[in-house]
Amino acid sequence: KAGVTQTPRYLIKTRGQQVTLSCSPISGHRSVSWYQQTPGQGLQFLFEYFSETQRNKGNFPGRFSGRQFSNSRSEMNVSTLELGDSALYLCASSLVTGEAGELFFGEGSRLTVL
Amino acid sequence: QQQVKQSPQSLIVQKGGISIINCAYENTAFDYFPWYQQFPGKGPALLIAIRPDVSEKKEGRFTISFNKSAKQFSLHIMDSQPGDSATYFCAASLYNFNKFYFGSGTKLNVKP
Repeated sequence: KAGVTQTPRYLIKTRGQQVTLSCSPISGHRSVSWYQQTPGQGLQFLFEYFSETQRNKGNFPGRFSGRQFSNSRSEMNVSTLELGDSALYLCASSLVTGEAGELFFGEGSRLTVL
Repeated sequence: QQQVKQSPQSLIVQKGGISIINCAYENTAFDYFPWYQQFPGKGPALLIAIRPDVSEKKEGRFTISFNKSAKQFSLHIMDSQPGDSATYFCAASLYNFNKFYFGSGTKLNVKP
């Protein structure tokens, strides 16, 4: 069974640009969550999508957005990039929502903002 | 305000020793407490989890101890092995929400 797939794995952008990251969940998983991982802040919750609807949202500015498609694949977008957005962005899928359970993480997309 | 505080930041243990990582949480409504293990270049993977209706849960060499009154929980790794060298994250959530608050992580190095 294939795991969570994130693309691209690495990318470099400059300040002011925007970026789109993609996540394909494990087959059959309908919930997709996104986390930002930095050395100083650890893992911070961005948002969760289930059945194409945002179910939960973290404390990030509106420059961070996401969406989920009917096949459960998800994308997140960061606009007007800032240096502080440099981080590893992790996608996690789970079977259901509304019931805390195991998150299956991808290997992440490492974003560097210059 | 950091919802989950984790210590220590790093830990060095000899092979065969016991590794202990501690976490404290703020929100008394949290009712699901997992531990995740992350190897370099990989995403975190669930190691073990506990709900507050029990004070201890053991799976192999890994044990979670939970103290509801103190709002603290800890991970004990018995007979630590070099292969356990990784970063460990505690987390907390409301059981009916798929939104987790993670600790800042503990980098464990088990010396052979």
